[in-house]
Amino acid sequence: AQKITQTQPGMFVQEKEAVTLDCTYDTSDPSYGLFWYKQPSSGEMIFLIYQGSYDQQNATEGRYSLNFQKARKSANLVISASQLGDSAMYFCAMREGPNTDKLIFGTGTRLQVFP
Amino acid sequence: EAGVAQSPRYKIIEKRQSVAFWCNPISGHATLYWYQQILGQGPKLLIQFQNNGVVDDSQLPKDRFSAERLKGVDSTLKIQPAKLEDSAVYLCASSLATKRELFFGEGSRLTVL
Repeated sequence: AQKITQTQPGMFVQEKEAVTLDCTYDTSDPSYGLFWYKQPSSGEMIFLIYQGSYDQQNATEGRYSLNFQKARKSANLVISASQLGDSAMYFCAMREGPNTDKLIFGTGTRLQVFP
Repeated sequence: EAGVAQSPRYKIIEKRQSVAFWCNPISGHATLYWYQQILGQGPKLLIQFQNNGVVDDSQLPKDRFSAERLKGVDSTLKIQPAKLEDSAVYLCASSLATKRELFFGEGSRLTVL
């Protein structure tokens, strides 16, 4: 079974608009962490934001926020005020359980920002 | 601060040949990871080192893949002999301590013909 599901292969958004990238996850462990990474065409994976399963508030980092809905097992990334430089692949990932560092990645969403 | 360095960036080989990739993590990062990213997929962990010891190599195809991290700093990932399905980007990542975010290099793109 897929641990991390990203159902949007591609998304388009106009510059300065907000966009939501979907991510759902599957785990029976009460302790886990959720990550979002950006991968531009250069290939490097850039860490964006982290949400712990026990965190009471949704994580925010500048223009990035994570809409964490624990009961629905979803961790959507919201990018506000999109910029042309936001065009890239975006990966959702999960660290499952307290005793592992392994990140399990989804298949990614390609975001394209147009003027 | 210098990021994770990887080389070579690109490598083309024929099947059954061997190849090696090198990674230099961020200074002071004890944990090092090698991920394989096949086109159209997310990265998959191959092996994780804590200093120079292996923490997790459960998804490393040990009949053809090997990795080492001598002296707990640089690491080398080797494939011998390569198969067509090994065509992928090999990403190296490091972290300051376990359970923190990973910092990735730009990857080494392997094409096996």
